[in-house]
Amino acid sequence: EVQLVESGGGLVQPGRSLRLSCAGSGFKFDDYAMHWVRQVPGKGLEWISGINWNSVSRVYVDSVKGRFIISRDNAKNSLYLQMSNLTSEDTALYYCAKDSSGGVAASGTLDSWGQGTLVTVSS
Amino acid sequence: SYVLTQPPSVSVAPGETARIICGGDNIGRRIVHWYQQTPGQAPVLVISYDTDRPSGIPERFSGSNSGNTATLTISRVEAGDEADYYCQVWESDTDLRVFGGGTKLTVL
Repeated sequence: EVQLVESGGGLVQPGRSLRLSCAGSGFKFDDYAMHWVRQVPGKGLEWISGINWNSVSRVYVDSVKGRFIISRDNAKNSLYLQMSNLTSEDTALYYCAKDSSGGVAASGTLDSWGQGTLVTVSS
Repeated sequence: SYVLTQPPSVSVAPGETARIICGGDNIGRRIVHWYQQTPGQAPVLVISYDTDRPSGIPERFSGSNSGNTATLTISRVEAGDEADYYCQVWESDTDLRVFGGGTKLTVL
């Protein structure tokens, strides 16, 4: 069974940084692209970043480009999101999701999701 | 960037058919995936590649995609189908994923 477990969320002040982690199990982690999707409570889903299986390709939505860095460690079956210069608009539940394919340049589905980790940006 | 438009809400009586639409410019030329999110839970894939039903998803769920509209159809709606539904595509020019705004399905 595929399992994705996010961690690292919490309360952080505006302008500060935070690193999210996602531990994957139950599948061959290094075969698949991975993504981060966030959701402001009560609002819709927003895809923010994806990384292909070997970290060569990384893509970001404009609102986080230059501030967030997605990375992965296939030896540890882990996905990361380094977030910097956080603002109140980054307050959301952050999900990691597994792609059905190995690349981000593909129309694969997000076929498994974690339960999310909540990031609150506030002074 | 590519925009997907969904109605905010759809209401249907139990046993009836719910149709949730997702509009986009020539969306029929793209591949659409659909996700269901019940309150307090993570999204779950219910339709992939326009029409495919993942293992474990009831046959009552089906999808179609043509022209400027993709449609998620839920037949014989049950109370447990009450959830938010999101369509999603891959934007080939940028490799971004795009979600629709979501539709809240209410079972009357």
